Amino acid sequence: DTGVSQNPRHKITKRGQNVTFRCDPISEHNRLYWYRQTLGQGPEFLTYFQNEAQLEKSRLLSDRFSAERPKGSFSTLEIQRTEQGDSAMYLCASSLGGVGPQHFGDGTRLSIL
Amino acid sequence: GENVEQHPSTLSVQEGDSAVIKCTYSDSASNYFPWYKQELGKRPQLIIDIRSNVGEKKDQRIAVTLNKTAKHFSLHITETQPEDSAVYFCAASDTGANSKLTFGKGITLSVRP
Repeated sequence: DTGVSQNPRHKITKRGQNVTFRCDPISEHNRLYWYRQTLGQGPEFLTYFQNEAQLEKSRLLSDRFSAERPKGSFSTLEIQRTEQGDSAMYLCASSLGGVGPQHFGDGTRLSIL
Repeated sequence: GENVEQHPSTLSVQEGDSAVIKCTYSDSASNYFPWYKQELGKRPQLIIDIRSNVGEKKDQRIAVTLNKTAKHFSLHITETQPEDSAVYFCAASDTGANSKLTFGKGITLSVRP
């Protein structure tokens, strides 16, 4: 499967713990996006990268959230000191710059106990 | 910022009938409008997209129309089948396919056999 891959698929953690998610984009795609989706809502943009450069961050991305794409390939999204409101599906997408469109992964479902 | 709205939140049609799903957007600078289909527990999948220099685009049973003056765009599905049942999200971007997408809340389409 050469689609966008996300790990883990599910993460259950206690409030206050740190969590990290990984996204592997489609291999030739230079743009990578993170979105968050809660029940009954559409995906909400969090941040995106072109190669290793983080080009835009949403105001939704508080200082507890950090995303990296150190070598312009896979990306990680870390949430520190998790809160109940962080429970959501975290979706990653990738695209080929200048061509598009965005292709999504299956997401990581985060549940905060 | 951009605001995308979808109405109604649910739509039920008889198998074989046509379904039309409408979205409105607020930012007149938006120039890219994709539609995603999301089945329960699965990733959003792009089904069709349109750019602002085109008024209509068709792909087999699916078509999208864009009215820039009224700032709305619609998804048309003909000869609906039970496997068309899913949540459909519209989105908009003011910088093309390779930037953040603003999604609507989604519409649940049910196709009755």
